[in-house]
Amino acid sequence: DAKTTQPPSMDCAEGRAANLPCNHSTISGNEYVYWYRQIHSQGPQYIIHGLKNNETNEMASLIITEDRKSSTLILPHATLRDTAVYYCIVRGLSGTYKYIFGTGTRLKVLA
Amino acid sequence: EAQVTQNPRYLITVTGKKLTVTCSQNMNHEYMSWYRQDPGLGLRQIYYSMNVEVTDKGDVPEGYKVSRKEKRNFPLILESPSPNQTSLYFCASSLGQGAHEQYFGPGTRLTVT
Repeated sequence: DAKTTQPPSMDCAEGRAANLPCNHSTISGNEYVYWYRQIHSQGPQYIIHGLKNNETNEMASLIITEDRKSSTLILPHATLRDTAVYYCIVRGLSGTYKYIFGTGTRLKVLA
Repeated sequence: EAQVTQNPRYLITVTGKKLTVTCSQNMNHEYMSWYRQDPGLGLRQIYYSMNVEVTDKGDVPEGYKVSRKEKRNFPLILESPSPNQTSLYFCASSLGQGAHEQYFGPGTRLTVT
């Protein structure tokens, strides 16, 4: 499974877009990019996933570069409740189907 | 309500005293797994189960046992807990191995003295 690299922390003003980058330069063709977040010490929560195309749901948008070596999670209008640790994970749908969580990005939304 | 439940939520115990952390899901999910979370190390998978009676080791299985006798339950057993197993534990489930969304329980904070 590919490894991901994320900045350890970021700040974002409330109401602004939060753009969280993730590098996954060793991703292979059949591996998906997933984003989860963890608020305080609660169980992680699924946000979004994608393979090649950009994706959007009610929570966020996921932009994957054409070479698939990096991606960005966008929270369009960050609120204080979006303060959390965000994990970018790359996972294939074969073998052990394992999720490998790194240490993520700690996003702080500022009032 | 669709959910993953864990019990207990908090546990303080002593070295060597066997304990079980229960995990149950009400979504008829095939895939279940256990993680532990330690500061600076993120979440690491302990064991996973692809279906009833099918379990396999994750990245950090030493000192743990699991069983999957029923689809909904996936208990984590510490036969002889040690202080290095002090951690925050999460159970998770998903529809199947290849399902995209994994649902996590609320966590169990275990302290072994």
